[in-house]
Amino acid sequence: AQKITQTQPGMFVQEKEAVTLDCTYDTSDPSYGLFWYKQPSSGEMIFLIYQGSYDQQNATEGRYSLNFQKARKSANLVISASQLGDSAMYFCAMRENSGYSTLTFGKGTMLLVSP
Amino acid sequence: KAGVTQTPRYLIKTRGQQVTLSCSPISGHRSVSWYQQTPGQGLQFLFEYFSETQRNKGNFPGRFSGRQFSNSRSEMNVSTLELGDSALYLCASTMGGDNTYEQYFGPGTRLTVT
Repeated sequence: AQKITQTQPGMFVQEKEAVTLDCTYDTSDPSYGLFWYKQPSSGEMIFLIYQGSYDQQNATEGRYSLNFQKARKSANLVISASQLGDSAMYFCAMRENSGYSTLTFGKGTMLLVSP
Repeated sequence: KAGVTQTPRYLIKTRGQQVTLSCSPISGHRSVSWYQQTPGQGLQFLFEYFSETQRNKGNFPGRFSGRQFSNSRSEMNVSTLELGDSALYLCASTMGGDNTYEQYFGPGTRLTVT
């Protein structure tokens, strides 16, 4: 079974609009972390935001926020006020505490921001 | 603070050859993980090194190996290259202790096997 599922292969959004990228996960480990990374065409993976399984509040980092719904096992990324530079692949990943620093990635969502 | 560096950035090899990729983590980070990214399989974990010891390994054949030096720099080696080894190889560094979560990736090495 997939541990991280990203159901949207591609998303389109207009500049300045908000967009939500979906991520669901599966783990039996009570302690885990959820990450979002951005990968532009250059290939580098850029860390965006982190949510720990015991964190009570949703994580926010500037224009990025993580909508964490533990009971539903979802960790959606919300990008507010999209910019042209946000066009990239976005990956959701999970680190289980039993897995040391190992990240399990979803297949990614390609986001295209149009003017 | 310098980021994660990977060398070389691009590499072209022939089937049957071997290759060594290098990763220098962020200063102070003791854990280095390696990932393979291909269009078909996505991002897959190869192995993680912490304090010169491999502490986790993904599901890859023995042709893939790695090591970590006392300065935390890591190398990965692929022997007897196959066409399917063509991929972007990413390394990530982190402090490596309990409850640490910052994981930062390098720019990757793009390997093409012909």
